[in-house]
Amino acid sequence: DAGVTQSPTHLIKTRGQQVTLRCSPISGHKSVSWYQQVLGQGPQFIFQYYEKEERGRGNFPDRFSARQFPNYSSELNVNALLLGDSALYLCASSVMPGSLEQYFGPGTRLTVT
Amino acid sequence: EDQVTQSPEALRLQEGESSSLNCSYTVSGLRGLFWYRQDPGKGPEFLFTLYSAGEEKEKERLKATLTKKESFLHITAPKPEDSATYLCAVHISSGNTGNQFYFGTGTSLTVIP
Repeated sequence: DAGVTQSPTHLIKTRGQQVTLRCSPISGHKSVSWYQQVLGQGPQFIFQYYEKEERGRGNFPDRFSARQFPNYSSELNVNALLLGDSALYLCASSVMPGSLEQYFGPGTRLTVT
Repeated sequence: EDQVTQSPEALRLQEGESSSLNCSYTVSGLRGLFWYRQDPGKGPEFLFTLYSAGEEKEKERLKATLTKKESFLHITAPKPEDSATYLCAVHISSGNTGNQFYFGTGTSLTVIP
C-alpha cells in the first residue's frame, strides 16, 4: 500500500510570495494533519482536518490556511512568505482525528529567500 | 502552558548497551502519548501509542512505558541501525481549540558498533 505522499519535494520561494503544498493520505485514512519542522526541532502542529472540516488548529498566524477535499487529500497554503517560514512541512494521515496513530509523509522542504 | 520535554538531547551508546530515553509532559486534557523515530531528511515513523498510566508496549528492542507525568522509551541491546532521533508527542483535546499535538525536540541516539 502507498504511504502518505507529498508534493513537491523541494520548493524555493521569495519573501512575500505565496505557496501551496499538497498531501495525499493513506488509502482509507480520512484525517490529515499538517506540521512545520524547523531544523533541530520537533514538528509543530499547524492544522488537522477530518472530512473537510477543521478539527484542530495550532498557534500559527492567519497567513497559514488549509483545506481538505472530498477524496481526503489536502492542501496547505502559506501567504506573504517570511524567511522564518523556511522549514520541512510534514503531512500526516490517520483513520480518525482522535486516532494517535498518525503516519507521516516524507515532507516538503520549503526555502524562502 | 502545555509542554513536552525530552532528555537527554543526545545519547551515544555502544552496541548492546541498554538505556532509556525520557519524555516528561505538563498538559491538561491528555488523550494519549506517542513515540516516533525520525531518520535524517525523512518524516517521523510511528512506533507506539500509550493511552493511560501503567500502560506498556513493546516492539523488537524497544519498550515504551507511561506514568502520569512522563514516558520512557527503553532500548535493550541496541544495534547501529537503531541510530535515529526519537520524538515524543502528546495529543490533547479541548472544546476551545479542538485537537492539539505537541512534540518534544527529540533525543538523537547514536549506537556505535
